[in-house]
Amino acid sequence: EPEVTQTPSHQVTQMGQEVILRCVPISNHLYFYWYRQILGQKVEFLVSFYNNEISEKSEIFDDQFSVERPDGSNFTLKIRSTKLEDSAMYFCASSEGQGKNIQYFGAGTRLSVL
Amino acid sequence: GENVEQHPSTLSVQEGDSAVIKCTYSDSASNYFPWYKQELGKRPQLIIDIRSNVGEKKDQRIAVTLNKTAKHFSLHITETQPEDSAVYFCAASIGTGGFKTIFGAGTRLFVKA
Repeated sequence: EPEVTQTPSHQVTQMGQEVILRCVPISNHLYFYWYRQILGQKVEFLVSFYNNEISEKSEIFDDQFSVERPDGSNFTLKIRSTKLEDSAMYFCASSEGQGKNIQYFGAGTRLSVL
Repeated sequence: GENVEQHPSTLSVQEGDSAVIKCTYSDSASNYFPWYKQELGKRPQLIIDIRSNVGEKKDQRIAVTLNKTAKHFSLHITETQPEDSAVYFCAASIGTGGFKTIFGAGTRLFVKA
């Protein structure tokens, strides 16, 4: 069964550094998403992406964040200058679109900002 | 913006009993309501979903009901088993493709054998 893959599984970085989290969505899916989950808390929507542009974003997704689909398979989340409070699990998800709404989640990248 | 409230935060049931988790949403434009199960350290996995044009949906031991007027939706798990123990999240989405999906705070379900 196809699945969303994310790399790395764990990223450790120093405060102020830039990080790029990578995702490979399911190949025939058209919509891509990033979510954040701080340890023990709920899943928080960051951004959705379609047709090479952001379609929705939350208040969390400020100028420090950006997303990109650099090629036909990858979907990345960049955090420009990490803060301690960016430490969380980041999940990528994708959905087929065309009325098929189910979002399939990747296994997540645990980001630890020191 | 959309806000999703979920209750209870913790639910403990005996194996074989039913479990009910309730959610309310604020934005009447929300039109898609998925439920996710998340086991410790794992990704959220969809267990059932419902669209705004349907009042109820069932899949084996799991059912979801939606009351659009009251902006309530609920998850019902019957004949609970220990492997149902997990955190369950409700969510509400607006849109037809690039959804903005807002999650509830989660319910930690314990099923005691």
